[in-house]
Amino acid sequence: LAKTTQPISMDSYEGQEVNITCSHNNIATNDYITWYQQFPSQGPRFIIQGYKTKVTNEVASLFIPADRKSSTLSLPRVSLSDTAVYYCLEVPGGGADGLTFGKGTHLIIQP
Amino acid sequence: DSGVTQTPKHLITATGQRVTLRCSPRSGDLSVYWYQQSLDQGLQFLIQYYNGEERAKGNILERFSAQQFPDLHSELNLSSLELGDSALYFCASSVSGGIEEQYFGPGTRLTVT
Repeated sequence: LAKTTQPISMDSYEGQEVNITCSHNNIATNDYITWYQQFPSQGPRFIIQGYKTKVTNEVASLFIPADRKSSTLSLPRVSLSDTAVYYCLEVPGGGADGLTFGKGTHLIIQP
Repeated sequence: DSGVTQTPKHLITATGQRVTLRCSPRSGDLSVYWYQQSLDQGLQFLIQYYNGEERAKGNILERFSAQQFPDLHSELNLSSLELGDSALYFCASSVSGGIEEQYFGPGTRLTVT
């Protein structure tokens, strides 16, 4: 049973900013919110991780409100190569017990 | 290239058989994870090892078992195979098995006929 809820699919266009939101209604105090990207027939790749507020790296930003009930992955100026499945997950602080990837959001970028 | 290697890349076997999948983690990583990905179930966490010891268990069937050896490579054993076990099996590794990012291997595609 997935612990998070995210849209099954999203469409956007090259050059746009894309925001994917995930619900974390029962997140535990010591869980970190983490996002992965997966291309077909490849293993997932880590994008970004945060606990609260905003985190930014060279590829994305992650917004987490104070109540931590949701998170938003922001991809600036997407390109065709950003077409992939994006997973949000709650990573336990002490190990992988309860680790769940869910079905992810299939993001399709069009020219 | 994540630095995680998995063998074999493809495996075709019959129902009722047993297979072993192998994973070598990134140099320096102490923790190994196994995942199963099928079309209907998505990406399922199976089991985690840290420095040779089992640390966490997910949706791993009793017919499946795993171990991590002293050189830190890991093997996933699948027995009494069923058609529904056909899937992509990924191994991932991380430095200490906590919240840090996991590095995934290229996967082993298992087909049970």
